[in-house]
Amino acid sequence: GENVEQHPSTLSVQEGDSAVIKCTYSDSASNYFPWYKQELGKRPQLIIDIRSNVGEKKDQRIAVTLNKTAKHFSLHITETQPEDSAVYFCAAIIQGAQKLVFGQGTRLTINP
Amino acid sequence: GAVVSQHPSRVICKSGTSVKIECRSLDFQATTMFWYRQFPKQSLMLMATSNEGSKATYEQGVEKDKFLINHASLTLSTLTVTSAHPEDSSFYICSAPQGSGNTEAFFGQGTRLTVV
Repeated sequence: GENVEQHPSTLSVQEGDSAVIKCTYSDSASNYFPWYKQELGKRPQLIIDIRSNVGEKKDQRIAVTLNKTAKHFSLHITETQPEDSAVYFCAAIIQGAQKLVFGQGTRLTINP
Repeated sequence: GAVVSQHPSRVICKSGTSVKIECRSLDFQATTMFWYRQFPKQSLMLMATSNEGSKATYEQGVEKDKFLINHASLTLSTLTVTSAHPEDSSFYICSAPQGSGNTEAFFGQGTRLTVV
């Protein structure tokens, strides 16, 4: 089955700097890659997603890149703000399967 | 976006008792729902796929007789933790895709289960 690896497990950056979180997946049949932000005790919130027919997608301060050949995708957050502090999860879906396989999560801390 | 409602948000039960958690799609029909478990500081691990009108599909290592899933209608799936023990204490969360194919998954609020 699909396996998603996420790094780093923790990340601390200064406010205003950029943060990058990376994920790799194992199944080349995966074709949908969402990123979620989860605050303590809350449900995951979709912040951006990308499909396998696209190499990059951007939404204001957040961007995701996908390298299908290498089977890895990354989340980029620019001009970080304290409210960006949370746990971030990448995920992958195998085409036709619908179920999400999550990475291990990254605890992002933005230092004022 | 679509709304998935999960209840209860918190429950404390005694060891040996059973607890039922409900997951409802409020404004769309969900033939498939997913149940995840999340231990503190860990990722979401898929427990089972709930299929409307048929048996649930369980992930490897998940006891189907302990975690009973019922998906009797297109808007409701339930997870019953039977004979709960302290090690079952966790955050349980459901999700439902709004349509077929690889579309956005909508999550319930989650249920914090504490077994004492």
